[in-house]
Parts: sequence; C-alpha cells; structure tokens
Amino acid sequence: TQLLEQSPQFLSIQEGENLTVYCNSSSVFSSLQWYRQEPGEGPVLLVTVVTGGEVKKLKRLTFQFGDARKDSSLHITAAQPGDTGLYLCAGDSGNTGKLIFGQGTTLQVKP
Amino acid sequence: SAVISQKPSRDICQRGTSLTIQCQVDSQVTMMFWYRQQPGQSLTLIATANQGSEATYESGFVIDKFPISRPNLTFSTLTVSNMSPEDSSIYLCSAEGLAGGYYDEQFFGPGTRLTVL
Repeated sequence: TQLLEQSPQFLSIQEGENLTVYCNSSSVFSSLQWYRQEPGEGPVLLVTVVTGGEVKKLKRLTFQFGDARKDSSLHITAAQPGDTGLYLCAGDSGNTGKLIFGQGTTLQVKP
Repeated sequence: SAVISQKPSRDICQRGTSLTIQCQVDSQVTMMFWYRQQPGQSLTLIATANQGSEATYESGFVIDKFPISRPNLTFSTLTVSNMSPEDSSIYLCSAEGLAGGYYDEQFFGPGTRLTVL
C-alpha cells in the first residue's frame, strides 16, 4: 500500500516565524504535488516537483524533492497570516493516474 | 490550469433522498476524479470517472451508492444516493491531463458541502 506520511499535522506559529512541513514515503514517486486549501474552497496546486534533488521556490515558500524521490519538504520563511490553511502533499507512485494524499498539515499563523 | 466549477456549492438534504453534484471543466481533460473530505482532513478518493464507460471505484465505495456519469471530456456528475447523516461531507471533483500540465497534476473544483439531516 502506498502511503504518504505528512508531518506535523497541526502547526500554530507567530507571524514572522519559519516552518517546515515534511512528506515521507517508502515508495518512489514520479512527481509530487503540494496543495494549499482554505476553508470553503478546493485545494489549489502550489507546485509540482519532478526531479530527484529538485528545489523550487515560490516567493517565501521553498519546496524540495528528495534525491531518491521518496520524500519532499515545504519550508515557509517569515510566515504571514495569509499563509494560514491546510497544506497537502500528493503523489502517484504507480503511474496509475491516481494521487495518494498525505494526511495534511493545518497551519495557523497568528498576527 | 483550468477553471473547474461545481454545482451546488452546498446543500442540506433529508435522510433517504439523493443529490446529484455536477462538475464542469472549461477545457477537455483526460481524467476526472471524485473525492470526499471531512473539514480539516485529507482527501479520500471515491472513484475515477471514465469517459464513455463505467467509473472505477475505490475500496469502500460502490456504484449503487455513488453512481457517476461522464458523458464527455469536460463534464461529470456524482450522485449520493439514499443519503444518511454519515454522508455529510465535502465532495470535490478534480481534473487531470490539462494542456501544459505534468502527467499527474490534478486541479480541483471548489467543492460541494453536503449536510444530511
């Protein structure tokens, strides 16, 4: 069974702090996506990482794909209240066309 | 990306009734999916909506309870049949295979929040 272990599940921090969310698996993924979801909306795709060791930056967000393509991380620098939301990692390890989702990380950034 | 819309955005239904949720994509896509999500939690895949053939259901989900249609490459419906309070959830559709996207990138609709009394 393919599993994506995402941690931490909950994170409450002050504005300006840094944080990292992890997504780990024993399976190899051809690509991995990160989504952010706000209450009442669907998940919004932030980034797709494809190559082992790849690093992508989206303003204050840095995404990394592990060398073996089994894990990924999301690092937020100087978090802001607008970063509050549910962060989800997802990947397809079997070329099935179906995504496996991590458990999600609920982030609250307090002003 | 693409614009994906869902109707209705929310509904409150009585036990024993059925609700059909519509999902419309503004461009042709190869694959469409239906998910269920409890607020604040991750997504559970219900089924893959196949164009021109029967949907492929995940373990724990059956066609009699969640019939799905996909008459063309831009539209799909999910029906929640004979509803009970346990069916109260957010239902999301997604699309994959959009032009310019990676192979397995999925884009999501805004969701339908269903409450069953």
